[in-house]
Amino acid sequence: DGGITQSPKYLFRKEGQNVTLSCEQNLNHDAMYWYRQDPGQGLRLIYYSQIVNDFQKGDIAEGYSVSREKKESFPLTVTSAQKNPTAFYLCASNRGSGELFFGEGSRLTVL
Amino acid sequence: GEDVEQSLFLSVREGDSSVINCTYTDSSSTYLYWYKQEPGAGLQLLTYIFSNMDMKQDQRLTVLLNKKDKHLSLRIADTQTGDSAIYFCADDVNNNDMRFGAGTRLTVKP
Repeated sequence: DGGITQSPKYLFRKEGQNVTLSCEQNLNHDAMYWYRQDPGQGLRLIYYSQIVNDFQKGDIAEGYSVSREKKESFPLTVTSAQKNPTAFYLCASNRGSGELFFGEGSRLTVL
Repeated sequence: GEDVEQSLFLSVREGDSSVINCTYTDSSSTYLYWYKQEPGAGLQLLTYIFSNMDMKQDQRLTVLLNKKDKHLSLRIADTQTGDSAIYFCADDVNNNDMRFGAGTRLTVKP
Protein backbone atom coordinates (compact mmCIF):
# COMPACT_ATOMS: atom_id res chain seq x y z
CA ASP A 1 0.00 0.00 0.00
CA GLY A 2 1.24 3.47 -0.84
CA GLY A 3 1.64 6.00 1.89
CA ILE A 4 3.83 8.14 4.08
CA THR A 5 5.77 6.69 6.99
CA GLN A 6 7.05 8.84 9.80
CA SER A 7 9.37 7.63 12.53
CA PRO A 8 9.73 7.60 15.41
CA LYS A 9 6.16 8.12 16.61
CA TYR A 10 7.40 9.39 19.97
CA LEU A 11 10.75 11.01 20.68
CA PHE A 12 12.25 12.53 23.79
CA ARG A 13 15.12 14.95 23.68
CA LYS A 14 17.27 16.64 26.22
CA GLU A 15 17.84 20.34 25.85
CA GLY A 16 20.80 21.09 23.60
CA GLN A 17 20.46 17.93 21.51
CA ASN A 18 19.70 17.74 17.82
CA VAL A 19 17.15 15.13 16.72
CA THR A 20 16.15 13.93 13.28
CA LEU A 21 12.62 12.90 12.30
CA SER A 22 12.26 10.53 9.39
CA CYS A 23 9.70 10.82 6.59
CA GLU A 24 9.49 8.32 3.73
CA GLN A 25 6.88 8.14 0.96
CA ASN A 26 6.24 5.57 -1.76
CA LEU A 27 3.56 7.58 -3.56
CA ASN A 28 6.00 8.84 -6.20
CA HIS A 29 5.13 12.40 -5.17
CA ASP A 30 7.46 15.21 -6.15
CA ALA A 31 6.57 17.59 -3.32
CA MET A 32 7.06 16.97 0.38
CA TYR A 33 6.30 19.15 3.40
CA TRP A 34 6.94 19.41 7.11
CA TYR A 35 4.35 20.98 9.40
CA ARG A 36 4.34 21.68 13.09
CA GLN A 37 1.11 21.34 15.08
CA ASP A 38 0.58 22.96 18.48
CA PRO A 39 -2.66 22.78 20.51
CA GLY A 40 -5.21 25.37 19.43
CA GLN A 41 -3.17 26.40 16.40
CA GLY A 42 -3.36 25.41 12.79
CA LEU A 43 -0.59 23.58 11.03
CA ARG A 44 2.41 25.78 10.41
CA LEU A 45 4.74 25.08 7.52
CA ILE A 46 8.38 24.52 8.45
CA TYR A 47 10.00 23.51 5.14
CA TYR A 48 8.89 22.16 1.80
CA SER A 49 10.58 20.57 -1.19
CA GLN A 50 9.23 20.45 -4.73
CA ILE A 51 12.04 18.39 -6.20
CA VAL A 52 15.09 16.39 -5.21
CA ASN A 53 18.04 18.46 -3.99
CA ASP A 54 15.90 21.55 -3.57
CA PHE A 55 13.90 22.84 -0.60
CA GLN A 56 12.40 26.11 0.61
CA LYS A 57 11.78 27.65 4.02
CA GLY A 58 8.23 27.86 5.27
CA ASP A 59 6.81 30.22 7.88
CA ILE A 60 8.74 28.86 10.90
CA ALA A 61 12.02 27.45 9.54
CA GLU A 62 14.28 28.88 12.24
CA GLY A 63 15.89 26.13 14.32
CA TYR A 64 15.11 23.41 11.77
CA SER A 65 16.97 21.90 8.82
CA VAL A 66 16.03 19.46 6.07
CA SER A 67 17.56 17.54 3.18
CA ARG A 68 16.09 16.01 0.04
CA GLU A 69 18.68 13.66 -1.38
CA LYS A 70 16.10 11.14 -2.60
CA LYS A 71 12.60 11.61 -3.93
CA GLU A 72 11.21 9.25 -1.31
CA SER A 73 12.83 10.82 1.74
CA PHE A 74 12.59 14.21 3.46
CA PRO A 75 14.12 14.08 6.96
CA LEU A 76 13.70 16.98 9.40
CA THR A 77 16.36 17.87 11.96
CA VAL A 78 15.28 19.83 15.01
CA THR A 79 18.38 21.62 16.16
CA SER A 80 19.32 22.99 19.56
CA ALA A 81 18.62 26.45 18.14
CA GLN A 82 14.87 25.72 18.18
CA LYS A 83 13.79 27.28 21.46
CA ASN A 84 10.45 25.55 21.88
CA PRO A 85 10.63 22.24 20.02
CA THR A 86 7.98 20.28 21.95
CA ALA A 87 5.23 19.71 19.38
CA PHE A 88 3.57 17.25 17.02
CA TYR A 89 5.33 17.13 13.66
CA LEU A 90 3.54 16.11 10.49
CA CYS A 91 5.07 15.19 7.15
CA ALA A 92 2.99 15.41 3.98
CA SER A 93 3.37 15.00 0.24
CA ASN A 94 1.53 15.71 -2.99
CA ARG A 95 2.09 15.85 -6.71
CA GLY A 96 2.95 19.54 -6.43
CA SER A 97 -0.55 20.84 -5.83
CA GLY A 98 -3.88 19.72 -4.49
CA GLU A 99 -4.62 17.17 -1.82
CA LEU A 100 -1.95 16.64 0.80
CA PHE A 101 -1.28 13.11 2.03
CA PHE A 102 -0.10 13.03 5.64
CA GLY A 103 1.95 10.66 7.73
CA GLU A 104 0.83 9.62 11.21
CA GLY A 105 3.00 12.24 12.89
CA SER A 106 5.90 12.30 15.34
CA ARG A 107 5.52 13.70 18.82
CA LEU A 108 8.67 15.33 20.14
CA THR A 109 9.03 16.15 23.83
CA VAL A 110 11.94 18.07 25.27
CA LEU A 111 12.84 16.98 28.79
CA GLY B 1 -0.02 35.95 5.62
CA GLU B 2 -3.54 35.03 4.73
CA ASP B 3 -5.68 33.65 7.56
CA VAL B 4 -8.12 30.81 7.88
CA GLU B 5 -10.29 30.98 10.97
CA GLN B 6 -12.61 28.49 12.60
CA SER B 7 -14.07 28.01 16.05
CA LEU B 8 -12.16 25.63 18.30
CA PHE B 9 -14.90 23.46 19.79
CA LEU B 10 -18.28 21.97 18.86
CA SER B 11 -20.33 19.51 20.86
CA VAL B 12 -23.40 17.70 19.52
CA ARG B 13 -25.57 14.74 20.44
CA GLU B 14 -25.40 11.53 18.46
CA GLY B 15 -27.87 11.64 15.58
CA ASP B 16 -27.92 15.44 15.35
CA SER B 17 -26.35 17.42 12.54
CA SER B 18 -23.00 19.13 13.06
CA VAL B 19 -22.07 22.34 11.29
CA ILE B 20 -18.46 23.48 11.34
CA ASN B 21 -17.77 26.96 10.00
CA CYS B 22 -14.66 28.50 8.50
CA THR B 23 -13.73 31.89 7.10
CA TYR B 24 -10.79 32.62 4.86
CA THR B 25 -9.28 35.79 3.49
CA ASP B 26 -7.61 34.91 0.19
CA SER B 27 -10.02 35.33 -2.70
CA SER B 28 -7.70 33.58 -5.17
CA SER B 29 -8.07 30.12 -3.63
CA THR B 30 -8.82 27.49 -6.24
CA TYR B 31 -9.89 24.72 -3.90
CA LEU B 32 -10.99 24.67 -0.29
CA TYR B 33 -10.53 21.54 1.77
CA TRP B 34 -11.80 19.82 4.88
CA TYR B 35 -9.40 17.47 6.63
CA LYS B 36 -10.16 15.18 9.58
CA GLN B 37 -7.66 14.29 12.30
CA GLU B 38 -8.20 11.37 14.65
CA PRO B 39 -6.40 11.52 18.03
CA GLY B 40 -2.63 11.11 17.72
CA ALA B 41 -2.76 10.66 13.95
CA GLY B 42 -2.16 12.58 10.76
CA LEU B 43 -4.77 14.45 8.75
CA GLN B 44 -6.92 12.76 6.14
CA LEU B 45 -8.77 14.56 3.38
CA LEU B 46 -12.48 14.44 4.04
CA THR B 47 -13.79 16.45 1.13
CA TYR B 48 -13.02 19.50 -0.96
CA ILE B 49 -14.85 22.03 -3.09
CA PHE B 50 -13.81 23.88 -6.20
CA SER B 51 -14.01 27.62 -5.77
CA ASN B 52 -16.61 28.10 -8.51
CA MET B 53 -19.08 25.78 -6.77
CA ASP B 54 -21.63 26.74 -4.12
CA MET B 55 -22.32 23.32 -2.71
CA LYS B 56 -21.00 19.81 -2.75
CA GLN B 57 -22.68 16.79 -1.21
CA ASP B 58 -21.02 13.49 -0.46
CA GLN B 59 -23.16 11.02 1.51
CA ARG B 60 -23.51 12.52 5.03
CA LEU B 61 -21.25 15.47 4.22
CA THR B 62 -22.41 18.77 2.71
CA VAL B 63 -19.98 21.58 1.96
CA LEU B 64 -21.33 25.07 1.41
CA LEU B 65 -19.21 27.85 -0.03
CA ASN B 66 -20.15 31.53 0.04
CA LYS B 67 -17.40 33.08 -2.00
CA LYS B 68 -18.69 36.64 -1.53
CA ASP B 69 -18.41 36.35 2.26
CA LYS B 70 -15.40 33.98 2.09
CA HIS B 71 -17.28 31.52 4.27
CA LEU B 72 -17.06 27.76 4.11
CA SER B 73 -19.05 25.26 6.13
CA LEU B 74 -19.09 21.52 6.62
CA ARG B 75 -22.33 19.85 7.65
CA ILE B 76 -22.28 16.28 8.93
CA ALA B 77 -25.72 14.71 8.96
CA ASP B 78 -26.68 12.05 11.55
CA THR B 79 -23.45 12.61 13.47
CA GLN B 80 -22.00 9.45 15.01
CA THR B 81 -19.52 8.95 17.87
CA GLY B 82 -16.97 7.90 15.25
CA ASP B 83 -17.14 11.41 13.83
CA SER B 84 -15.48 12.77 16.98
CA ALA B 85 -12.22 14.29 15.76
CA ILE B 86 -10.57 17.59 14.88
CA TYR B 87 -11.70 19.08 11.58
CA PHE B 88 -9.43 21.46 9.68
CA CYS B 89 -10.45 23.89 7.02
CA ALA B 90 -7.69 24.68 4.48
CA ASP B 91 -7.27 26.70 1.32
CA ASP B 92 -4.51 26.51 -1.25
CA VAL B 93 -3.22 30.05 -1.51
CA ASN B 94 -0.71 28.76 -4.02
CA ASN B 95 0.70 25.37 -4.91
CA ASN B 96 3.10 25.26 -2.00
CA ASP B 97 1.21 27.20 0.63
CA MET B 98 -1.87 25.46 1.93
CA ARG B 99 -3.23 27.50 4.84
CA PHE B 100 -4.92 25.64 7.67
CA GLY B 101 -7.32 26.86 10.30
CA ALA B 102 -6.69 26.03 13.95
CA GLY B 103 -9.06 23.07 13.79
CA THR B 104 -12.49 22.49 15.33
CA ARG B 105 -12.66 19.72 17.90
CA LEU B 106 -15.99 17.94 17.42
CA THR B 107 -17.27 15.97 20.39
CA VAL B 108 -20.25 13.68 19.84
CA LYS B 109 -22.16 12.72 22.97
CA PRO B 110 -24.19 9.50 23.09
